[in-house]
Amino acid sequence: GESVGLHLPTLSVQEGDNSIINCAYSNSASDYFIWYKQESGKGPQFIIDIRSNMDKRQGQRVTVLLNKTVKHLSLQIAATQPGDSAVYFCAETPHGSSNTGKLIFGQGTTLQVKP
Amino acid sequence: GAVVSQHPSWVICKSGTSVKIECRSLDFQATTMFWYRQFPKQSLMLMATSNEGSKATYEQGVEKDKFLINHASLTLSTLTVTSAHPEDSSFYICSARESQKPGNTIYFGEGSWLTVV
Repeated sequence: GESVGLHLPTLSVQEGDNSIINCAYSNSASDYFIWYKQESGKGPQFIIDIRSNMDKRQGQRVTVLLNKTVKHLSLQIAATQPGDSAVYFCAETPHGSSNTGKLIFGQGTTLQVKP
Repeated sequence: GAVVSQHPSWVICKSGTSVKIECRSLDFQATTMFWYRQFPKQSLMLMATSNEGSKATYEQGVEKDKFLINHASLTLSTLTVTSAHPEDSSFYICSARESQKPGNTIYFGEGSWLTVV
């Protein structure tokens, strides 16, 4: 079936270190992936996205890597800051739903940044 | 930038009553909106796709008669939780896809907390 999951429920890092959050997806036909950040009591906030025809995309302090061979997605945050503490979700567009806005979310990883 | 607004941000209702949550796209048109439910420390679960001018499409396991969705205009979708029970207490989040932009430009609302007592 279609599902997006995450390897680790909680990631604790020291301020200034780099963070890597992982995600595994099961539908090899998915062609669009997004990483979201969610702070407590708020809606998801877009971080970065990537299409299946790419294997890497960089933003400001963030990089998303896509490995279609093993159906793995990762979010790298450089020089992690206390403000990065939140829950991070990967989401995918289900097969047949490209460009519809429909997303399936993974379980989420809590990122804790220690000062 | 584009904004999706939800109202109310939080609501407390008595068991057995109905409560309506609104999702508005403030500066863009959205023929399609989505409703998600999120329990504490869990992920967002897609409940339904709200289609402007037509019936909503519900995900498997979501009761259509309990979660009424109306999308009467290009900027407003409403979710009504009917005969609410304490187990319906949750964080409800909507998203909207900007119709006039190509690709998957999606915006999320800030969510609505529902507590049923």
